[in-house]
Amino acid sequence: KAGVTQTPRYLIKTRGQQVTLSCSPISGHRSVSWYQQTPGQGLQFLFEYFSETQRNKGNFPGRFSGRQFSNSRSEMNVSTLELGDSALYLCASRLGTGNTIYFGEGSWLTVV
Amino acid sequence: DQQVKQNSPSLSVQEGRISILNCDYTNSMFDYFLWYKKYPAEGPTFLISISSIKDKNEDGRFTVFLNKSAKHLSLHIVPSQPGDSAVYFCAAQSNFGNEKLTFGTGTRLTIIP
Repeated sequence: KAGVTQTPRYLIKTRGQQVTLSCSPISGHRSVSWYQQTPGQGLQFLFEYFSETQRNKGNFPGRFSGRQFSNSRSEMNVSTLELGDSALYLCASRLGTGNTIYFGEGSWLTVV
Repeated sequence: DQQVKQNSPSLSVQEGRISILNCDYTNSMFDYFLWYKKYPAEGPTFLISISSIKDKNEDGRFTVFLNKSAKHLSLHIVPSQPGDSAVYFCAAQSNFGNEKLTFGTGTRLTIIP
């Protein structure tokens, strides 16, 4: 059974640009969440989607947004990129609320 | 406000011995706890979890202990193997796993051959 798949794995963007990251959850999983990992702040929760609805949101500015499609695939978007947005962005999926969360390998974003 | 704390940034253990990783939490609403292992440039891999209705959970070489009164949990790895060298994150959830993961800052475990 394939795990959580994230694309792209690595990307470099310029300050002020926007970026879209994609995530395909484990087959059958209906919940997708996103986390940001930085050396300074550790692993921080961005948001979670379940059946195309955002059910939880972390403390990130409105520049960070996401959505989930009917096939459970998810995208997250960051607009007006800042240098501090450079991080590993991790997608995770679970069967439903209350189930174990499994992570993808992450998308490394560098903002220059 | 760090609600989940791992006070040891690093730990070195001889191969074959026991590794003990510690984690403290402050939020009394947390009732489900997990340990993840992470290699560089990869996502965290789920290891083991424990619900607040238990005080111990075992899975092979991994055992997690929960002390609710002290708001403390620990992960024991016995025996430690070189492949266990990684960063270990403690994470907590409220509402019995329904909510988001709140992570600790991680402990880098190095197993010395």
